[in-house]
Amino acid sequence: KQEVTQIPAALSVPEGENLVLNCSFTDSAIYNLQWFRQDPGKGLTSLLLIQSSQREQTSGRLNASLDKSSGRSTLYIAASQPGDSATYLCAVRWMDSSYKLIFGSGTRLLVRP
Amino acid sequence: ETGVTQSPTHLIKTRGQQVTLRCSSQSGHNTVSWYQQALGQGPQFIFQYYREEENGRGNFPPRFSGLQFPNYSSELNVNALELDDSALYLCASNLYRGHGELFFGEGSRLTVL
Repeated sequence: KQEVTQIPAALSVPEGENLVLNCSFTDSAIYNLQWFRQDPGKGLTSLLLIQSSQREQTSGRLNASLDKSSGRSTLYIAASQPGDSATYLCAVRWMDSSYKLIFGSGTRLLVRP
Repeated sequence: ETGVTQSPTHLIKTRGQQVTLRCSSQSGHNTVSWYQQALGQGPQFIFQYYREEENGRGNFPPRFSGLQFPNYSSELNVNALELDDSALYLCASNLYRGHGELFFGEGSRLTVL
């Protein structure tokens, strides 16, 4: 069964800390992987998309990596700020069902001032 | 460039009723997907529409149905509402059958009493 797991479910860090969010997935035959941010009660904001042929993508203070062989992706946030507080979701599009994303349950991040 | 817009933002229905949710895709996008997100969970794929036809469906019963119109906007219809249908319903759009980066709207929060 194709599944996406995000651990930990919640994370609290002081402002300024660099942090890593983890995403693991079963079955390495992926098409791409996308990271999203979700504020409480709101929709999803796309952060980064990594194609299966890529190892990493960067946008500002965010860097996402992909290791298909180990079934892992990480989202690195540099110099965290209180405004980064949100739930971060990882979603995978597999080759054999490329019309849909399968999401993890997310990591709820709190950055303390 | 106009993003994905959804209406209504909130609605309350009673068990057994029917509901229609609406979505306008991002400018230039021809593919629309719908997801259901229960509280504290990642979104679950309902179905995808491309060129006015359903071309992928998740594990949802037939009382969940949809439409896509020539201007690529879409509707999600749910008949015979159940209490468990209470959730945030998210619409997403992208270019060409869901392989690219997915962009989400703010969602419609449905409460079934």
